[in-house]
Amino acid sequence: GAGVSQSPSNKVTEKGKDVELRCDPISGHTALYWYRQSLGQGLEFLIYFQGNSAPDKSGLPSDRFSAERTGGSVSTLTIQRTQQEDSAVYLCASSTRTNYEQYFGPGTRLTVT
Amino acid sequence: GDSVTQMEGPVTLSEEAFLTINCTYTATGYPSLFWYVQYPGEGLQLLLKATKADDKGSNKGFEATYRKETTSFHLEKGSVQVSDSAVYFCALTPVDQFYFGTGTSLTVIP
Repeated sequence: GAGVSQSPSNKVTEKGKDVELRCDPISGHTALYWYRQSLGQGLEFLIYFQGNSAPDKSGLPSDRFSAERTGGSVSTLTIQRTQQEDSAVYLCASSTRTNYEQYFGPGTRLTVT
Repeated sequence: GDSVTQMEGPVTLSEEAFLTINCTYTATGYPSLFWYVQYPGEGLQLLLKATKADDKGSNKGFEATYRKETTSFHLEKGSVQVSDSAVYFCALTPVDQFYFGTGTSLTVIP
């Protein structure tokens, strides 16, 4: 079946502009996660959605970052007034609630110039 | 808080060598433990998992045993291949959270 998809695959933007990154999870997966992977770094947790519950936003690095999930499916991560330090690969993952095994998308590589 | 500490890389091995990548964790409860792998140019994919103490996860010749007494989940393979070159991430999940290690880069040379 279809895996997790993300778009765009690459995004180059100018400092100060807003960007939106999209994640389409596996159908039926109730949990959705966003991570950031900077060059040479591990995965930094950003935000977690589970069903209709309020999201866990504890990993968002600043108030310039926000995310929403519509209809319990597609999610959009928005970064406002982008900074050069926002350059990274943004990964989305989804899982069923029962076993927590995460399936990752291919990521969006964001470059802020 | 909960966390994962992973052996730093990079690791370079010759083909058919024995591999160990160390992973230790700190957790207040009884988390599930995972190893993920990221091949060059690809996304992360699950390699193996263990959900309770003394469980052994295995896949593609890799193994890891959930050791509660030493809070460890070391990844091992008896004979690595060039195709195993990748970055390996240890992860744990208590409830509704995922903690990843910083990743260990492995290069296998012929």
